[in-house]
Amino acid sequence: AQKVTQAQTEISVVEKEDVTLDCVYETRDTTYYLFWYKQPPSGELVFLIRRNSFDEQNEISGRYSWNFQKSTSSFNFTITASQVVDSAVYFCALSEAGYGGSQGNLIFGKGTKLSVKP
Amino acid sequence: GAVVSQHPSWVICKSGTSVKIECRSLDFQATTMFWYRQFPKQSLMLMATSNEGSKATYEQGVEKDKFLINHASLTLSTLTVTSAHPEDSSFYICSARDPTSVATGELFFGEGSRLTVL
Repeated sequence: AQKVTQAQTEISVVEKEDVTLDCVYETRDTTYYLFWYKQPPSGELVFLIRRNSFDEQNEISGRYSWNFQKSTSSFNFTITASQVVDSAVYFCALSEAGYGGSQGNLIFGKGTKLSVKP
Repeated sequence: GAVVSQHPSWVICKSGTSVKIECRSLDFQATTMFWYRQFPKQSLMLMATSNEGSKATYEQGVEKDKFLINHASLTLSTLTVTSAHPEDSSFYICSARDPTSVATGELFFGEGSRLTVL
């Protein structure tokens, strides 16, 4: 069975601090995709990154970076020099590869609420 | 990127009435759409998979007679909450899969529809 665990329910930091959001996943598939989404108070889901299971290279995009460790089934997300606008709920999600049926839908973690205080 | 639009964004209805939510893919044809539900401070849970021209596939515990899904065209899926009750109040989000991105597992999300049943 597939499962995504975000152990941190809420995190509060002061602006300019670095913060890491943890994500651990479970799947029996060898091919899968991992995602991070941001959900601000307005509710819409903002896509941040997609990573396939064959690409373990870490990625950096501005103040955001992601660390994919297949050995520990983790896909952690770090925000450097956090800003108030980063305050949101962040979801990690897992998707199997495949066509048709329910394959390809996302399995979400419970989310981590990040509050960045000025 | 691909755009998915939901309507309405907000809806308030009386208990016992039915409410229809539309999900449209604006610049691609979506053979598959997914409907998620998110209760306050909770994660997104898949309700059903909607396949164009065929019956929707519902997740365990989701009443198909209460949550009617119609995917009559390649750009439109509708979710009708029948005989709504206050416990149906939730944030409903649809997502669509661009057939050209099936192999990558990427989903495009609508803005969400917040239903409040009085």
